[in-house]
Amino acid sequence: EAQVTQNPRYLITVTGKKLTVTCSQNMNHEYMSWYRQDPGLGLRQIYYSMNVEVTDKGDVPEGYKVSRKEKRNFPLILESPSPNQTSLYFCASSLVSTSDEQYFGPGTRLTVT
Amino acid sequence: QKEVEQDPGPLSVPEGAIVSLNCTYSNSAFQYFMWYRQYSRKGPELLMYTYSSGNKEDGRFTAQVDKSSKYISLFIRDSQPSDSATYLCAMSVTLGRLYFGRGTQLTVWP
Repeated sequence: EAQVTQNPRYLITVTGKKLTVTCSQNMNHEYMSWYRQDPGLGLRQIYYSMNVEVTDKGDVPEGYKVSRKEKRNFPLILESPSPNQTSLYFCASSLVSTSDEQYFGPGTRLTVT
Repeated sequence: QKEVEQDPGPLSVPEGAIVSLNCTYSNSAFQYFMWYRQYSRKGPELLMYTYSSGNKEDGRFTAQVDKSSKYISLFIRDSQPSDSATYLCAMSVTLGRLYFGRGTQLTVWP
């Protein structure tokens, strides 16, 4: 089954404790992206990647890191999480770009206390 | 000012109604326009995609882009309770960075 998987689905952590949210797709997609969704603010793009080793900033990259060492994986790293990073995070992938249909993962709900 | 403005609603209509959802934007360089639908507790899914100006129809859904007014619309004909969801507009200049509206929450009641 074609899908985007994210882990963990739910995470509660404390300020400053480094964490990684994994994202994996099995569709051989070139393009992957991370978003956060907050009430009243909609979806905002954090980082995106057009291919292996090619990443670029989205709308809200501060406090986040990404890497794309393999085509299928695109982890999101929070080196020192803060409470304002409490949010619902979505990973997405598409064949080539944002204009292609993006397949979204199920979301990761992160709470930073 | 946000790049993309969208009225969050909520919007509540009876079954069978025609629904009109809209977004305005400020960046005249946007050329790729999309509508996503998001059901509760799920990730968004692409509903319609339009490149540049014009109309696009897919079943009960019609997407319109008016670049001169910086305005895009999504029309849903013969709305159904299964259309109840949050609808998000999205747009981009290049094929990488994507800007979303806040989303409009729609409820279609039987």
